[in-house]
Formats: sequence, C-alpha cells, structure tokens
Amino acid sequence: QVQLQESGPGLVKPSETLSLTCTVSGGSISSYYWHWIRQPPGKGLEWIGSFFHSGGTNFSPSLKSQVTMSIDTSKNEIYLKLSLVTAADTAVYYCARGASSSWFGSRRLDYWGQGILVTVSS
Amino acid sequence: IVLTQTPLSLPVTPGEPASISCRSSQSLLNGDDGNTYLDWYLQKPGQSPQLLIYTLSSRASGVPDRFSGSGSGTNFTLKISRVEAEDVGVYYCMQRIEFPTFGPGTKVEIK
Repeated sequence: QVQLQESGPGLVKPSETLSLTCTVSGGSISSYYWHWIRQPPGKGLEWIGSFFHSGGTNFSPSLKSQVTMSIDTSKNEIYLKLSLVTAADTAVYYCARGASSSWFGSRRLDYWGQGILVTVSS
Repeated sequence: IVLTQTPLSLPVTPGEPASISCRSSQSLLNGDDGNTYLDWYLQKPGQSPQLLIYTLSSRASGVPDRFSGSGSGTNFTLKISRVEAEDVGVYYCMQRIEFPTFGPGTKVEIK
C-alpha cells in the first residue's frame, strides 16, 4: 500500500522560504508524477504544481515565480520550496501521487498524504 | 478554468438520494480521446481528500456503487443513490484538462 508523509517546519517567518518533504513508502517514485496541493484553514483546495523524476515540472501560474520542486529517488522523497512567503501562504500542504505517467492520467490524484499545517508568522 | 459548485451546503437524510452540481467555465471534453477530465474528491472531516470519481464517471478503487458521476461539456453531477452517515464531508470537483483547479466544495452533513 502506497503511503505518503509530509514533513517540515510548522512555522515559517514572512519573506522566508517554506521547505517541505514528502516521503513515499510502499512503491517507487520514479514512474509517477508527484503533486503538491494546499488548503488554507477553512478554505478549499489549490493545486501548486507537479514534478516527474525525469524533470518534467508544471506549476500553477499564480505560484510559478515562488515554487521549486525536486525529487530524490534514492530516498523516495519529493521536495517543495516556496519562497518569499506571506501570511497568505498559511495552509495545510498535501503531497499526492498522479495515478499514471500519461499526460491527463498524471493529474488524477490517487494517493494523498495526511497533510502538514504550515503557518507563516513572525 | 473556474469551477462552481451548487449547493455549497447540503443537509441530507440517511437513506435518501443526494446530488451535487459542478459547472465549468469551459468544456472539459478532450476532442482527441473523447474523455471528459472531471473528477470528484471527498474530504471527510479531519482527513485528506480521497478520489471518488475520475474521468467523469469512473469510480475509484473501493468506492461504493452508490456514488455515480455524470454530465457533459461544462455541466456535471455527482449523485449518491442512498446517503450513509459515512458520506459526510466536503465534496470537490476538479478539472484536469488544463492545470488542475478545484471547485469551492460542497459540505454534506446529516440533517
């Protein structure tokens, strides 16, 4: 059974960089796209972007300038960095797996982590 | 692509049917393969979202057959034939014909 677990600091200061790790167990990360989605407290879901191990990345246009994603296949980990954060970036951050490597199938999110709350505050 | 959902809140009675509507600002039909890239997710209280329905009408693994998806073009519906207490939560539609966007969510709760 595939399991995803987000980790990282729960508090980040404004203007700093938010850094999160998604650790995947129960399967290889090499054959799938990996996504980050966030959810501000009490609000809806926002897709941040996706990453494929061979380097294919796609980012939300509204976040593109802030986002970096990377992957370490030896550790089965996916990374998210969000720079110059503000209070508006306070949210629960989820990582999720794209169900297949096809263009559209890669965006069907079949496994999700439990999420991690990141608060941006001084 | 902007998705709207109605209603935003839906009180339901166990054993009764329920229906949620999702509308898209543009067609989600891919002319090349004939698929409509609209999915439904359920976020149960305190949990992460889980995939219910994908590509308009296909049920995800383990999803009961009381859940069904339908629609075409820009108008879509999620139906629950007989609501059970475990179905409470927030239901989101999501399009993936372009970079994914989600609807605002419909909160389903027991009357």
